[in-house]
Amino acid sequence: GESVGLHLPTLSVQEGDNSIINCAYSNSASDYFIWYKQESGKGPQFIIDIRSNMDKRQGQRVTVLLNKTVKHLSLQIAATQPGDSAVYFCAEKDRGGGADGLTFGKGTHLIIQP
Amino acid sequence: DVKVTQSSRYLVKRTGEKVFLECVQDMDHENMFWYRQDPGLGLRLIYFSYDVKMKEKGDIPEGYSVSREKKERFSLILESASTNQTSMYLCASSATGAVGDTQYFGPGTRLTVL
Repeated sequence: GESVGLHLPTLSVQEGDNSIINCAYSNSASDYFIWYKQESGKGPQFIIDIRSNMDKRQGQRVTVLLNKTVKHLSLQIAATQPGDSAVYFCAEKDRGGGADGLTFGKGTHLIIQP
Repeated sequence: DVKVTQSSRYLVKRTGEKVFLECVQDMDHENMFWYRQDPGLGLRLIYFSYDVKMKEKGDIPEGYSVSREKKERFSLILESASTNQTSMYLCASSATGAVGDTQYFGPGTRLTVL
């Protein structure tokens, strides 16, 4: 079946650098996307979301880019800090999905090097 | 802030025991969800509920049941726990409508079945 996936399981960046975490999706009916951050031993924490009528959305130090042509989603984190170390998940939902759950990617582990 | 709480952070049970996992949200959300999270498999939806006394099966409902007697509370029940139900269990909630797609998660319950 269709699913959401990630290109890399682990990403290591230097503190202060920008990070880009990628996500590919295959469900062309998906119209809503979310990025979550999950720190060790904690539940996923909402970071930012985007709907399919947009191609870019910015938050505090984070930007989500959506390319519907190639079904690609990315999360950019500016000036990464040690507290950014976590697993990042993308998730998607299609317009016909109703109240049911999101489809999650497996996650990318972001490691911040001092 | 949305707050989703789960009754236990860690739980150890024996095979065959009946297990109750409780989840409470304080944002008057209509939708509530139960996921399990396993290494390499990501988050998988067990059950969800879009209203009091309503429930819908997710992707992996076998071996589980749920109860939603009050809007703020959603319980996951393992009728007879088995070792393959050892996992991290995550509860989430969301509002209805277009603004309600974002799911907010609790801290998780790490269940070990011996």
